[in-house]
Amino acid sequence: QITLKESGPTLVKPTQTLTLTCTFSGFSLNSRGVGVGWIRQPPGKALEWLALIYWNDDKRYSPSLKSRLTIAKDTSKNQVVLTMTNMDPVDTATYYCAHSLQYFDWIFAHWGQGTLVTVSS
Amino acid sequence: DIQMTQSPSSLSASVGDRVTITCRASQTISSYLNWYQQKPGKAPKLLISAASSLQSGVPSRFSGSGSGTEFSLTISSLQPEDSATYYCQQSYRFPPTFGQGTRLEIK
Repeated sequence: QITLKESGPTLVKPTQTLTLTCTFSGFSLNSRGVGVGWIRQPPGKALEWLALIYWNDDKRYSPSLKSRLTIAKDTSKNQVVLTMTNMDPVDTATYYCAHSLQYFDWIFAHWGQGTLVTVSS
Repeated sequence: DIQMTQSPSSLSASVGDRVTITCRASQTISSYLNWYQQKPGKAPKLLISAASSLQSGVPSRFSGSGSGTEFSLTISSLQPEDSATYYCQQSYRFPPTFGQGTRLEIK
């Protein structure tokens, strides 16, 4: 079955760079159409899509955060890494990675458990 | 970006009630509308894709309908385990966007 799990720091300071890793199993990022994305959720608030990388290394970013985000994959390790620069307290959120089955379908059928990242000095 | 607006923001209903949550898109999205259920402290779970396609394993009391700009999620007979926040999401146009959520409580 498909599983995903996020890992990374729970606390970062303002202006620092956040690096999160999504480790997955049950599918391959070498398979045509497959993608892994990141979605975040501030405490008590709604979901916000951040970025997605596809099997062919096509990368898409939220237009509002594009300048701060980088997504990359390591298919040998079954991992996807998201970096977000210049962190601010408003970036405090639970960050989820999720599996997308088809190219540009933007449907997330499998999610990781999420990791809470707090931005504070 | 396409804005997704859900109503109501919260509701309380009794076991056995029929419950409907509405989602409105700021422009037409055909049937590219998905529904997720999120329980406290858990990741969202995909319930319905393409407006009305029930995901495998999702109880048949859940159904979705609509097209264009107006969509709805209906629970035909509310169960205690349906207490959750429900989100709609459009997958018609980049970037994908979510509604603000509807919190459903059981009386």
